[in-house]
Amino acid sequence: GDSVTQMEGPVTLSEEAFLTINCTYTATGYPSLFWYVQYPGEGLQLLLKATKADDKGSNKGFEATYRKETTSFHLEKGSVQVSDSAVYFCALSDRSGNQFYFGTGTSLTVIP
Amino acid sequence: NAGVTQTPKFRVLKTGQSMTLLCAQDMNHEYMYWYRQDPGMGLRLIHYSVGEGTTAKGEVPDGYNVSRLKKQNFLLGLESAAPSQTSVYFCASIPAGLGSGTDTQYFGPGTRLTVL
Repeated sequence: GDSVTQMEGPVTLSEEAFLTINCTYTATGYPSLFWYVQYPGEGLQLLLKATKADDKGSNKGFEATYRKETTSFHLEKGSVQVSDSAVYFCALSDRSGNQFYFGTGTSLTVIP
Repeated sequence: NAGVTQTPKFRVLKTGQSMTLLCAQDMNHEYMYWYRQDPGMGLRLIHYSVGEGTTAKGEVPDGYNVSRLKKQNFLLGLESAAPSQTSVYFCASIPAGLGSGTDTQYFGPGTRLTVL
């Protein structure tokens, strides 16, 4: 079945460091791929998405490219801020069905 | 728009008690979902609905029932709560079916449930 494997955390970085959170997926067909962010005590919010191979999603300085050949959708940011501290979830939507599949989440803490 | 709201925000139950969690959305979305979030396991789909009057099982449906009598509301019921159902529950919705280009989920703020 479809699934998402996400880099385990927690991740701790200094402010202005480079961030990469790895995400790989298994899916039949051509899913859409997502990164969601969850701030403490809140629900998940969409950070970015890509709907087809080679698409790049971007938002708030974060980027991820849909790589069909490596079945990956790694999240990157060139310079993290303290306000980026949150839990990040990689997810895919199954276009042949009605379901979404989430990774286990990666907790990021950015220290000043 | 209030978006997706969940009631209650917190609840403590004793084993064997029942309760209903309410999810409401005012965006006229067709699809609605219930997830549970547990440490180290991400979000797991409990049940979902593709429209008013429809429901379907997700990955972990046992011990839960749902109803979608009105398009804007999706109820999650626990008939006989167990400690294993201690979790944070999230509701989400999307405007239309997958593949339509509108498959971004909108999440509620969550309900933290503890079963003693």
